[in-house]
Amino acid sequence: NAGVMQNPRHLVRRRGQEARLRCSPMKGHSHVYWYRQLPEEGLKFMVYLQKENIIDESGMPKERFSAEFPKEGPSILRIQQVVRGDSAAYFCASSSLDRGNTGELFFGEGSRLTVL
Amino acid sequence: DQQVKQNSPSLSVQEGRISILNCDYTNSMFDYFLWYKKYPAEGPTFLISISSIKDKNEDGRFTVFLNKSAKHLSLHIVPSQPGDSAVYFCAASGRNDYKLSFGAGTTVTVRA
Repeated sequence: NAGVMQNPRHLVRRRGQEARLRCSPMKGHSHVYWYRQLPEEGLKFMVYLQKENIIDESGMPKERFSAEFPKEGPSILRIQQVVRGDSAAYFCASSSLDRGNTGELFFGEGSRLTVL
Repeated sequence: DQQVKQNSPSLSVQEGRISILNCDYTNSMFDYFLWYKKYPAEGPTFLISISSIKDKNEDGRFTVFLNKSAKHLSLHIVPSQPGDSAVYFCAASGRNDYKLSFGAGTTVTVRA
């Protein structure tokens, strides 16, 4: 499967714990985006990364959230000291440099975080 | 600031009839518009897109119409099939923009 791979698919954490979500982009894609979907809402942009660089983190909460896309390995979205309001589906998407003819981003199946 | 708006949260349509989903945007710098389809517990999948130089794009049962002066686009699905029951998201980006801005989605239910 050469699609965007996210893991874990489901993650349960207690308040105050850390959550780490991983994303491997499609083969040949060097651009990664993280989106969050709260219950009953649309997808909200969080951060855009290229290898070893954060390009735009304007949608990321200023505290407790961080993201990286190292030279080797998957992109990681890290949430420290989780709170109940962090419960959501977190989607990773990837694209090639020029996003092809359709401009689309390719999405993974998401990681669903539940904070108890 | 919601730049892409889908004002109808849900739509119910009879199998075989046309489904029309609407989307409005506020950012005049948007020049690429996409529709994604999403099933529960899955990621969004790309359906169809249109650039601002066109006013219509068709792909099989799916047609997207763009009215730039009204900052409005719509997705037509005809004929609607039970497998079309899903959440449909409208999304947009600017020429040199890398991220997509999404609407809140419209849940389509196709009745047999």
